[in-house]
Amino acid sequence: KAGVTQTPRYLIKTRGQQVTLSCSPISGHRSVSWYQQTPGQGLQFLFEYFSETQRNKGNFPGRFSGRQFSNSRSEMNVSTLELGDSALYLCASSVRDRPYEQYFGPGTRLTVT
Amino acid sequence: EDQVTQSPEALRLQEGESSSLNCSYTVSGLRGLFWYRQDPGKGPEFLFTLYSAGEEKEKERLKATLTKKESFLHITAPKPEDSATYLCAVQAAGSGYALNFGKGTSLLVTP
Repeated sequence: KAGVTQTPRYLIKTRGQQVTLSCSPISGHRSVSWYQQTPGQGLQFLFEYFSETQRNKGNFPGRFSGRQFSNSRSEMNVSTLELGDSALYLCASSVRDRPYEQYFGPGTRLTVT
Repeated sequence: EDQVTQSPEALRLQEGESSSLNCSYTVSGLRGLFWYRQDPGKGPEFLFTLYSAGEEKEKERLKATLTKKESFLHITAPKPEDSATYLCAVQAAGSGYALNFGKGTSLLVTP
C-alpha cells in the first residue's frame, strides 16, 4: 500500500507571496492532519480534516488555511508569506478504525526568502 | 495546558550499550501516547501507541512503557541504524486527532 504523498517536496518563495501544498493520504484513510516542523518549535499542529470538514485547528494565524476534497486529498495554503514560515510542512493520515495512529508523509520543505 | 517534555535532548551510545529515553507529560485526559522515529529529511515514522498506565509494547530492540506521568523508550543493544530522532506525542481527550509533540531526543549510536 502506498504511503502518504506530499507535493512539492521542496519550494522556495518570496516574502508576501502565497503557497499551496498538497497531500494525498494512504488509500482508505479519511482523516488528514497538517503539522509545521521548525528547529525551534518542533512539530506543531496546524489543523485536521475529516470528510471534508475541519474538525480541529491549532494556534496559527488566519494566513494558514486548508481544505479537504471528497477523495480525502488535502491542500493547505499560506498567504502573505513571512520569513518565519520557513519550515517542513508535514501531512499525516489516519485509518478509520485506528483514529489515533497517524502516518506521516515525507513533508514539503518551504523556504521563504 | 498540555505539555510534553523529552529528555535527554541528545544521547550518544556505543553500539550494544542499552539506554532509555524519557517522555514526561501533563495532559487533561490522555487518549494515547505515541512514539515516532524521524530520520533527517524524512517524516516521522510511527513506532508505538500506548493507551493506559502499565501498558508495554515491543518492536525489535525497542520497548515502550507508560505510567501516569511518563513514558520510557528502552533501547536494548542498539545498532548504528537506530540513530535517529525519537519523538514522543500525546493526544488529549477533546483535542480531536491533534498530536502534541515533545522536542525529541536525538540518538547517535556509534560502532
